[in-house]
Amino acid sequence: GAVVSQHPSRVICKSGTSVKIECRSLDFQATTMFWYRQFPKQSLMLMATSNEGSKATYEQGVEKDKFLINHASLTLSTLTVTSAHPEDSSFYICSAEGGPLQIREYFGPGTRLTVL
Amino acid sequence: KQEVTQIPAALSVPEGENLVLNCSFTDSAIYNLQWFRQDPGKGLTSLLLIQSSQREQTSGRLNASLDKSSGRSTLYIAASQPGDSATYLCAVYGQNFVFGPGTRLSVLP
Repeated sequence: GAVVSQHPSRVICKSGTSVKIECRSLDFQATTMFWYRQFPKQSLMLMATSNEGSKATYEQGVEKDKFLINHASLTLSTLTVTSAHPEDSSFYICSAEGGPLQIREYFGPGTRLTVL
Repeated sequence: KQEVTQIPAALSVPEGENLVLNCSFTDSAIYNLQWFRQDPGKGLTSLLLIQSSQREQTSGRLNASLDKSSGRSTLYIAASQPGDSATYLCAVYGQNFVFGPGTRLSVLP
């Protein structure tokens, strides 16, 4: 089956630093990748949708200059949290569409970000 | 290792029917369980979130229940409509997210 990986699985950083999270589709080409985040006791929320080679589409309320998304290839998307602050601490999960079943979305294991 | 299953894998019903989607998980040590709707190209839409201390949540025509001790959750959709056609995923959140394989629902006009 299709596998999506994320790296790192956990990251702790100081306030003001930038953190990059990678999302890779390991055995298929992902035409579209999604980034989600979940704050404690809240639902998983879509942050942005990225299509390979084009600019990401951000959901309302998500700062595009703070959460930089790059989808440079069909197997890799990155999310960079710039100038991270404690309120950015969350669980970030990516997903990729385009696996064996074109309508299926495959999820990565997630990245837990803690900003001190 | 947490495992999540969903039954049925696919369901086709005429418009107006009430229906139940089932989700089972193996490890009851969860913080919450969520039901999502999946539409191709649009990512996930969160439908209902049930905290581990809760037994059910309701939103409009949707009602989700959680029995953590038995590792089960159900999503009840009342008076189904063609616009409800989508894939429905349940996911449990413990150490990380574990998603079920989904139930593909088709509501026929």
